[in-house]
Amino acid sequence: EVQLVESGGGLVQPGGSLRLSCAASGFTFSSYWMSWVRQAPGKGLEWVANIKQDGSEKYYVDSVKGRFTISRDNAKNSLYLQMNSLRAEDTAVYYCARDLRSYSSGWYDYWGQGTLVTVSS
Amino acid sequence: SSELTQDPAVSVALGQTVRITCQGDSLRSYYASWYQQKPGQAPVLVIYGKNNRPSGIPDRFSGSSSGNTASLTITGAQAEDEADYYCNSRDSSGNHGVFGGGTKLTVL
Repeated sequence: EVQLVESGGGLVQPGGSLRLSCAASGFTFSSYWMSWVRQAPGKGLEWVANIKQDGSEKYYVDSVKGRFTISRDNAKNSLYLQMNSLRAEDTAVYYCARDLRSYSSGWYDYWGQGTLVTVSS
Repeated sequence: SSELTQDPAVSVALGQTVRITCQGDSLRSYYASWYQQKPGQAPVLVIYGKNNRPSGIPDRFSGSSSGNTASLTITGAQAEDEADYYCNSRDSSGNHGVFGGGTKLTVL
């Protein structure tokens, strides 16, 4: 059974940092593009970043570029999101999601349950 | 443009057919995917590509695309279909994802 389990969320002050993790199981993690998608309270989904199977390609939404870094450790079947210089508008539930295809299709067939990040003083 | 536009809310009578649309320039180049999200839950993929349903998704869900518009059709809507629906595609560069603003479906 495919499972994605996020962790690392919490309350952080503006300007602070947080590292999210996503533990994958039930599939060959190293064969898939992976993404982070977030959802602010009461708002819609927003794509944040994605990473190629070997980590050689990474892409970000403009609003987090230079502040967030996506990475992965295929040996540990884990996906990460390092978030620096956090702002109030980064407050959201952060989901990790698996791309359905071996290329970056943007079709996400499995999602984690999400981890809440709250940026507030 | 990297934006996808959806109607904020749509309603349908129980057992009737409803179409939810998504507009955006990138849809001329890339197929959309559609997600159902119920309160407090993670999104669930219901349609991807030209018109593909993941395993376990009822066949009353179908997808289509024409020009800059992608559509999700629910034929014979059920009470359990009441949810938020999001379309998703890639932007014009092909490297970034983009979601529509979501459509809240009410089943009357």
